[in-house]
Amino acid sequence: DAKTTQPPSMDCAEGRAANLPCNHSTISGNEYVYWYRQIHSQGPQYIIHGLKNNETNEMASLIITEDRKSSTLILPHATLRDTAVYYCIVRVAVNNDMRFGAGTRLTVKP
Amino acid sequence: KAGVTQTPRYLIKTRGQQVTLSCSPISGHRSVSWYQQTPGQGLQFLFEYFSETQRNKGNFPGRFSGRQFSNSRSEMNVSTLELGDSALYLCASSLTNLTLVRGEYFGAGTRLSVL
Repeated sequence: DAKTTQPPSMDCAEGRAANLPCNHSTISGNEYVYWYRQIHSQGPQYIIHGLKNNETNEMASLIITEDRKSSTLILPHATLRDTAVYYCIVRVAVNNDMRFGAGTRLTVKP
Repeated sequence: KAGVTQTPRYLIKTRGQQVTLSCSPISGHRSVSWYQQTPGQGLQFLFEYFSETQRNKGNFPGRFSGRQFSNSRSEMNVSTLELGDSALYLCASSLTNLTLVRGEYFGAGTRLSVL
């Protein structure tokens, strides 16, 4: 059973920020929010993860609501190469047992 | 630093056969996990190995097995192949504690087709 809910698809203009939402209303206290993406014919790529504070790295920012029931992945300046399926999952950090759902297919358009 | 390497990239087998897939993790990574990805089920966890020991196991039948060698390289084996085993099999490597590092690094996968 899915622990996260994401919109099936989104479009974004090149150079603009892409904001990808994720709902995880049943998240447990020891579960982290992880984001991955997968470009066609490649393996998934880790993007970012967080517990309850907002996080930023060279790829993206992660905004987690105070109640931790939802989060938003922000790609600040989307490029055509960011076109991919983006997966939001919740998991205990030391546990590799994770399952991806359908994710959000992000299409960045020129 | 070289990434996670999976071989072969593509494989075609027939029902009833067995198959062995190989994964070489990133140098220094001691944890190797295997996943199955299909359009219908998404990505599902098979098992994880750390220091040659299976540390975690998903909900797959016993036909799916794996092992890890002393150099952290890992193999997974599927016996008595079924049509439903057709999938992209992904290997991921990581250091021991995911809270300290950037999650796993995935290989490009082995696409298995069972005819």
